[in-house]
Amino acid sequence: SQQGEEDPQALSIQEGENATMNCSYKTSINNLQWYRQNSGRGLVHLILIRSNEREKHSGRLRVTLDTSKKSSSLLITASRAADTASYFCATDRGSTLGRLYFGRGTQLTVWP
Amino acid sequence: EAQVTQNPRYLITVTGKKLTVTCSQNMNHEYMSWYRQDPGLGLRQIYYSMNVEVTDKGDVPEGYKVSRKEKRNFPLILESPSPNQTSLYFCASSFRRDRDYEQYFGPGTRLTVT
Repeated sequence: SQQGEEDPQALSIQEGENATMNCSYKTSINNLQWYRQNSGRGLVHLILIRSNEREKHSGRLRVTLDTSKKSSSLLITASRAADTASYFCATDRGSTLGRLYFGRGTQLTVWP
Repeated sequence: EAQVTQNPRYLITVTGKKLTVTCSQNMNHEYMSWYRQDPGLGLRQIYYSMNVEVTDKGDVPEGYKVSRKEKRNFPLILESPSPNQTSLYFCASSFRRDRDYEQYFGPGTRLTVT
């Protein structure tokens, strides 16, 4: 069963603009992760934020986590056409057994 | 190069003809899993394995089998494929760092069952 629910399902922006995607989940977690998938290819890990962290940065990526609202956001600043991809959040539902539960993803299109 | 490999990448087969999709990782990861991805449904886990000879069902295990005889390999077996198993399949592996697991995905296998 799905855990994360990304919002919006699709996002279309111009190069140079910022892109914000949101993820909501339902259970307690140890961490929340964001992954990227280029069309038809394998997912690639972007960033992990632990439940005791509120914000994390990696290059042009900024992730926030609000455990009281059970939500996270992924911000991509100064988007490029190469950022066009699907973005998924995943949580562990508080388990340390290794399973991840993915949402349905946000399809981001960045126009040149 | 650290990677997860899957074979074949593309497969068209007929209903009922047994097939195996192989998955191999060279990172000595303990944890491996299989997902299927369908439009509008995201990734759904089929089976996972926490170590050699330890496997468990995910959310959609019906019609699939797995085995984990070696740490590096985790094949997915479809004993009698049906058209509803037409999908994009991903293998992934991960290791535990503190309480965190970061998954490494293979390139995918696109399966069509006619």
